Amino acid sequence: EAAVTQSPRNKVAVTGGKVTLSCNQTNNHNNMYWYRQDTGHGLRLIHYSYGAGSTEKGDIPDGYKASRPSQENFSLILELATPSQTSVYFCASGPDWEDTQYFGPGTRLLVL
Amino acid sequence: QQKVQQSPESLTVSEGAMASLNCTFSDGTSDNFRWYRQHSGKGLEMLVSIFSDGEKEEGRFTAHLNRASLHVSLHIREPQPSDSAVYLCAVSHNVGDNSKLIWGLGTSLVVNP
Repeated sequence: EAAVTQSPRNKVAVTGGKVTLSCNQTNNHNNMYWYRQDTGHGLRLIHYSYGAGSTEKGDIPDGYKASRPSQENFSLILELATPSQTSVYFCASGPDWEDTQYFGPGTRLLVL
Repeated sequence: QQKVQQSPESLTVSEGAMASLNCTFSDGTSDNFRWYRQHSGKGLEMLVSIFSDGEKEEGRFTAHLNRASLHVSLHIREPQPSDSAVYLCAVSHNVGDNSKLIWGLGTSLVVNP
């Protein structure tokens, strides 16, 4: 089974601060994704990547940047965190668009 | 854009009784349909994916797809308390040469012993 890990698992940040969420996958998947999950909205795609060096905007990219320095790692960066970014963030990876996405355990972010 | 709705919002069944969950979508041209499960505080686990009208079985989980009715369902045979979780329906949506998943809000299932 695909192994996707996220760090940190929990994070408290202050408004205006910089937050970096990290994701690592050990299955050599090309595609990686960042979602946020909020009550009443379901999962929403923030950024995704086709492979090392690529990042693409998802449905709600505003306020977020992404970085894919290697096949294994995909980071989500909040340069100036706001309380509206309080959420649970999930990273996922998959071999291809049509294939199963494997999810990490999530990061719970609270922005005060 | 593809819209995905799940029903019911919550469902309680007794251990061993069949559990049936529903998912409707707005665009029947989607290529694939997936059911995921999320235990409280955990990540998502894929249960079954289906690409053609009809039925697809993965262990105790069976998906039924009817594109004409814009409906895909999940049936859980002999549910156990450990199946208590939120079940999410995801439908592919074509974007250029690629596709992305559009997610429903989920059905919260409780299985009582």
